Amino acid sequence: NAGVTQTPKFQVLKTGQSMTLQCAQDMNHEYMSWYRQDPGMGLRLIHYSVGAGITDQGEVPNGYNVSRSTTEDFPLRLLSAAPSQTSVYFCASRLGTSPHEQFFGPGTRLTVL
Amino acid sequence: AQSVTQPDIHITVSEGASLELRCNYSYGATPYLFWYVQSPGQGLQLLLKYFSGDTLVQGIKGFEAEFKRSQSSFNLRKPSVHWSDAAEYFCAVARRGGNKLVFGAGTILRVKS
Repeated sequence: NAGVTQTPKFQVLKTGQSMTLQCAQDMNHEYMSWYRQDPGMGLRLIHYSVGAGITDQGEVPNGYNVSRSTTEDFPLRLLSAAPSQTSVYFCASRLGTSPHEQFFGPGTRLTVL
Repeated sequence: AQSVTQPDIHITVSEGASLELRCNYSYGATPYLFWYVQSPGQGLQLLLKYFSGDTLVQGIKGFEAEFKRSQSSFNLRKPSVHWSDAAEYFCAVARRGGNKLVFGAGTILRVKS
């Protein structure tokens, strides 16, 4: 199993550009989520999904969209990038909606100029 | 509001010395409790978790944590630190019956030889 994979590993955007961060898992996990990590702030939940076709907002959803058309994939879209979205983004998945162990991807480091 | 506090931003210990990383939470009831470790440039790895039962839990890499209800704490300990333990450590909590994981700001551990 590859676990949780994320692409790209690094990305530089200009303000106003859009892009999609990809996340995939091959563990048949129902629950997937996106976090952003900023120095001194830990990880903050952006959006999450409890299964295909179901998504919900986390703590910091503004400026981001998600969709969950398959169990495996959970892309994160930045509609119009802003410098405040410069961060490291982690995707995570777990089996079921109760807080079992979450498996994290390696992260995407995004810089918005 | 639910919150997780890790009071120490940085901790430096000598190799072979003991370690204790502090975590306090503010929740209405005892939540699920986790400790994760993040090595530089990597994703997060689960060290240990507490759901119920014995308040002293053992994890991977020789770590343990003790849940103290009266102090709303879940401190991480290791009797003898190795240089490879240098990393950032995150405490995280989840409300029972919920599905969101809330992270503390993290503690950066430096190990000196």
